[in-house]
Amino acid sequence: EVQLLESGGALIRPGGSLRLSCAASGFTFSNFAMSWVRQAPGRGLEWVSDITGSGDSTYYADSVKGRFTISRDYSKNTLSLHMNSLRGEDTAVYYCARLKFYYTSSGDYHPLGYFDSWGQGTLVTISS
Amino acid sequence: DIQMTQSPSSLSASVGDRVTITCRASQGIRNYLAWYQQKPGKAPKLLIYGASTLQSGVPSRFSGSGSGTDFTLTISNLQPEDVATYYCQKYNNAVFGPGTKVDLK
Repeated sequence: EVQLLESGGALIRPGGSLRLSCAASGFTFSNFAMSWVRQAPGRGLEWVSDITGSGDSTYYADSVKGRFTISRDYSKNTLSLHMNSLRGEDTAVYYCARLKFYYTSSGDYHPLGYFDSWGQGTLVTISS
Repeated sequence: DIQMTQSPSSLSASVGDRVTITCRASQGIRNYLAWYQQKPGKAPKLLIYGASTLQSGVPSRFSGSGSGTDFTLTISNLQPEDVATYYCQKYNNAVFGPGTKVDLK
């Protein structure tokens, strides 16, 4: 059974830093791209960042580019999100999610498809 | 950048009703679309991928259709446990629709 368990959420002052972690189990970690998706209180889902299975490619939403860094540790099967220069608008529940690959209409493999497993989320609150 | 819209933003229906939610992409995305269900305080759950393929374990009253820019999620026989917010998502550096909240009349 796929399990994703986030940790690290906290109350942080604006301008501060935080690291979130997601412990993955029940599947071959390196075979799947992974993502962070967030949800501000009372709002919809917002994609934050992706990392490929090999870790050689990373992608970021414009709203976090240059401030957040996604990484993965294969020895611990852990996904991380390092967040710097935090702002009030970063307040949200942060979900770790596994990305399922897909094949394009021309038969090409693409790793960044849909989210087939989600963690329970961890709350990050940015406030003075 | 591709934008995703959904309609309606909310709806009320009775148990047993047929419910239809529409998702529209600002550019063609073939069938690279998924649907999720999110209940209050819970993580989203995958319902449909590839626009029309039902995820394992999801009740058959859920179905999806569409291709290109226009997509539909249908709940054929609404049940009390289907009260939730539903999101569409395009693949590849995901973009989510704003969500459709479904509750009981």
